[in-house]
Amino acid sequence: GAVVSQHPSRVICKSGTSVKIECRSLDFQATTMFWYRQFPKQSLMLMATSNEGSKATYEQGVEKDKFLINHASLTLSTLTVTSAHPEDSSFYICSARVGVQPAGAPTSTDTQYFGPGTRLTVL
Amino acid sequence: GQNIDQPTEMTATEGAIVQINCTYQTSGFNGLFWYQQHAGEAPTFLSYNVLDGLEEKGRFSSFLSRSKGYSYLLLKELQMKDSASYLCAVSPYNTDKLIFGTGTRLQVFP
Repeated sequence: GAVVSQHPSRVICKSGTSVKIECRSLDFQATTMFWYRQFPKQSLMLMATSNEGSKATYEQGVEKDKFLINHASLTLSTLTVTSAHPEDSSFYICSARVGVQPAGAPTSTDTQYFGPGTRLTVL
Repeated sequence: GQNIDQPTEMTATEGAIVQINCTYQTSGFNGLFWYQQHAGEAPTFLSYNVLDGLEEKGRFSSFLSRSKGYSYLLLKELQMKDSASYLCAVSPYNTDKLIFGTGTRLQVFP
């Protein structure tokens, strides 16, 4: 249980275009999802918290107009990188916090489950 | 804010024991997590400490001391597949967020 998927797994785009990344919780409802960015050989950096039915909360230094987040349902959040530039090339990972505990998951209600990540390359 | 520090890299031999430390400076948190991440993959949950003390789960154990601002992950009977990055993270009070440490890349040699 507690599976999170991301699509696409890998995307290459031209500078100036927009890219949408989907994050889905497959077997549980996630009232809260999180978006992270990870540069090579570095740790995860939280970009924003996505709440179903309300506006996302962005971390300091993250441009909300550049990284658009929509959490339209309890199982889907999307991150759109607008007007992408080469410096936006990174590994983007989403996670979902269990809102309704699926069978077999750890007992901590704070546990986040991560998607497989999306590698974005901007040429 | 939270400053969460880990050694950048560690090496160990197959079958050995390794301890990965995590020190933090934070005003308060719900719990401390450890995740494993293989290159190019998503992190996977290893352990969660709320109270001080040792939590044992098979070959992996995690320890927390809130008064000392310190945690460690202990890996026993190391296997080659344990070569990965290990990330500690805290969940600050009154948030659902996870703030990750710098991560430790562990290489296990035969």
